[in-house]
Amino acid sequence: IVLTQSPATLSLSPGERATLSCRASQSIANYLAWHQHKPGQAPRLLIFDASNRATGTPARFSGSGSGTDFTLTISSLEPEDFAVYYCQQRSNWLTFGGGTKVEI
Amino acid sequence: QVQLQESGPGLVKPSETLSLTCSVSGGSISRYFWSWIRQPAGKGLEWIGRLYPNGSTNYNPSLKTRVTLSVDTSKNQFSLKLNSVTAADTAVYYCGRDVGGSGLIDYWGQGTLVTVSS
Repeated sequence: IVLTQSPATLSLSPGERATLSCRASQSIANYLAWHQHKPGQAPRLLIFDASNRATGTPARFSGSGSGTDFTLTISSLEPEDFAVYYCQQRSNWLTFGGGTKVEI
Repeated sequence: QVQLQESGPGLVKPSETLSLTCSVSGGSISRYFWSWIRQPAGKGLEWIGRLYPNGSTNYNPSLKTRVTLSVDTSKNQFSLKLNSVTAADTAVYYCGRDVGGSGLIDYWGQGTLVTVSS
């Protein structure tokens, strides 16, 4: 299953809203997760099963979607949110999207 | 808090075997499932394989003939071996905890860069 993320890069300012998209090549029900990755750090699970926040994920992060189209929304960007975000499906083995870089 | 740390040689010669270890702290390795994932420079993340608590494995079909995963419960570590490496295997390699073998990776290591070059 191929996951396509858009846009590749999102240039925003702190306080703005970020909307990231992930599209699957076939239906994956709600078996989609979002991970945040900052340089030199371990990636971090943010959202699982499309809309469930992982332990410690701030409420400004929300996920939605099912089937083939999914969205990660950051309601108001904090300085620590500038990072690369990957979607990941587990409906058929595991595959990842190419990532969206959220930059200042 | 579970923590994972990858370790191993940063440079491997073509045709040789890449060997990495993931050390787990904050939990018993024998109770969980574990995965390896890699990311070549400028490319996306690729799942390599999964290790079950009983030592069984699942592998990415594209790598299946070259990969071996194993666990050392006495050291709370698990390992990856990838044989017959080429430059295409140059990547950052990550280990992760796979919740119930479901494919949900809830904890990751920081990753380690392995370069394949003579």
